[in-house]
Amino acid sequence: GESVGLHLPTLSVQEGDNSIINCAYSNSASDYFIWYKQESGKGPQFIIDIRSNMDKRQGQRVTVLLNKTVKHLSLQIAATQPGDSAVYFCAENRNSGYALNFGKGTSLLVTP
Amino acid sequence: DAGVTQSPTHLIKTRGQQVTLRCSPISGHKSVSWYQQVLGQGPQFIFQYYEKEERGRGNFPDRFSARQFPNYSSELNVNALLLGDSALYLCASSKNAAGDYEQYFGPGTRLTVT
Repeated sequence: GESVGLHLPTLSVQEGDNSIINCAYSNSASDYFIWYKQESGKGPQFIIDIRSNMDKRQGQRVTVLLNKTVKHLSLQIAATQPGDSAVYFCAENRNSGYALNFGKGTSLLVTP
Repeated sequence: DAGVTQSPTHLIKTRGQQVTLRCSPISGHKSVSWYQQVLGQGPQFIFQYYEKEERGRGNFPDRFSARQFPNYSSELNVNALLLGDSALYLCASSKNAAGDYEQYFGPGTRLTVT
């Protein structure tokens, strides 16, 4: 069936290292993708988005890569900090529909 | 600038009761979407409203309803509450109606049904 999912449920990295969170999607019609960060007890926080006419987009310490051939999305966080510890969700939209479709999330734990 | 606000923060109801959740979007945003997030899962789309009209509905029963007011704030109503309705209810606002635009979420309302 159609789904947005993540390869790993948890990821543990050391402070200062780079983090890579992966996401797979199954619908080739998906053309807009967002990464959200959700800390415990809070709503999802917008990190970065990318449209299907792009392969890469950079923000502050974050980079999103989109590989449409294999339907894969990744979020790279440079110099990971303790404040980056959270659950990260990828979400997709297709054909300018109204809904964002979320995956289950990856828990990122940054250790000192 | 104020972000998306939601009230109440927490709510405890019993089975069969009705609940109303409220959301105020970011100033200038005309679109409000509602999502349900069950513990350990990603948010699931319930409704989207734009310019006071329902533009999209997810796979939720008719017990769920919503509306948007002239000031673009919104209410989500859930009737005949079930234990399975216990979740974090999130509101997201956006400038336009289409989903392929930045959506900003509020802190959510934690609903517990006993």
